[in-house]
Amino acid sequence: GQNIDQPTEMTATEGAIVQINCTYQTSGFNGLFWYQQHAGEAPTFLSYNVLDGLEEKGRFSSFLSRSKGYSYLLLKELQMKDSASYLCAVMDSNYQLIWGAGTKLIIKP
Amino acid sequence: GAVVSQHPSWVICKSGTSVKIECRSLDFQATTMFWYRQFPKQSLMLMATSNEGSKATYEQGVEKDKFLINHASLTLSTLTVTSAHPEDSSFYICSARDPGSGGENTGELFFGEGSRLTVL
Repeated sequence: GQNIDQPTEMTATEGAIVQINCTYQTSGFNGLFWYQQHAGEAPTFLSYNVLDGLEEKGRFSSFLSRSKGYSYLLLKELQMKDSASYLCAVMDSNYQLIWGAGTKLIIKP
Repeated sequence: GAVVSQHPSWVICKSGTSVKIECRSLDFQATTMFWYRQFPKQSLMLMATSNEGSKATYEQGVEKDKFLINHASLTLSTLTVTSAHPEDSSFYICSARDPGSGGENTGELFFGEGSRLTVL
């Protein structure tokens, strides 16, 4: 079956760095997405990786290793507003998005 | 960037009534839109894929007669929850892929604001 695994919850300190991991097993691969979702709001797009390596976008970076079925989202210089759930999603061979359950990130002062 | 608008944001209705939620792509044409349901502290659950000009494709376990989807134009899809019951109370979210941001299948996925349904 298809499966996306990511930690349920993480806690980090304001100003620090946090890495949220995502492992996946899917039928085919057409890219991996990271979305941010604040409580009660719809998800917003953060990144898309389809090739191996690191994609940097400001304070956020996303890494992909297709051979390992692994990705991580790296958040630097954490701010209180970064407290949210982070969703990992993989597009399979049918271009369907398979969603992880999300990682709730709690930022402490 | 591309925008997807969803309306209404909040709706409260009595049990047994029907509720319609609209999803519009404001600055791009979307042949395909997606409808999700999200329970508290859980991830998105794909309910159905809405296809312009044809029938929607429902995920296993989703009642097509209860969740009616219409995609009459390239910019509008509607989800109607028929004969709503308290267990239908949830956060419903639509999304659409902007082909201009990468292609029909791999373009960036944009989400509507979501609609919180409460059935009394």
